[in-house]
Amino acid sequence: DQQVKQNSPSLSVQEGRISILNCDYTNSMFDYFLWYKKYPAEGPTFLISISSIKDKNEDGRFTVFLNKSAKHLSLHIVPSQPGDSAVYFCAAWNRDDKIIFGKGTRLHILP
Amino acid sequence: EAGVAQSPRYKIIEKRQSVAFWCNPISGHATLYWYQQILGQGPKLLIQFQNNGVVDDSQLPKDRFSAERLKGVDSTLKIQPAKLEDSAVYLCASRYAGDEQYFGPGTRLTVT
Repeated sequence: DQQVKQNSPSLSVQEGRISILNCDYTNSMFDYFLWYKKYPAEGPTFLISISSIKDKNEDGRFTVFLNKSAKHLSLHIVPSQPGDSAVYFCAAWNRDDKIIFGKGTRLHILP
Repeated sequence: EAGVAQSPRYKIIEKRQSVAFWCNPISGHATLYWYQQILGQGPKLLIQFQNNGVVDDSQLPKDRFSAERLKGVDSTLKIQPAKLEDSAVYLCASRYAGDEQYFGPGTRLTVT
């Protein structure tokens, strides 16, 4: 049973444009959501998070949107840069339980 | 601040052999996690420690996997005997008080 779903295995975006990565979840008990970025041969690094009491969190070029009614969140990167090419993992957490990761979306930023 | 350290970075073993991985979390981080990441999937939690006590090991295949965190700092994860399906990247992560986990570079295990 996959509680956190990233349905797009890969995404290609032109440099300078907006990258939108999507994530769906099934467990309404999740109260915290995180995005991690992973380069090859490195561990995931924390990017941005959002609490379930909010619907938007922004940090520089990165914005995460949360739609609780749809059980959907998205990560917007604007403008996209070559260094953004990586695998992005969505993760969800009920603080009384373990964090659950999606399968990841590989983002390619095209020159 | 030094990050989470893991060793070795790569390991190739034959099935039925044993292997051990080591993790040194960020200083002061009480919570330590071991994850298994199979190619094409997200990290899956194997075990969570709070200091030197186990908080969650529900997804640890205890017939072959074991982990310990003596003195609440470093941790080792062992697989004995290894199976082909254990080929994966084993990630260690630590957390202080916030919600973010800080990951090490991982150990890539190949079982042949």
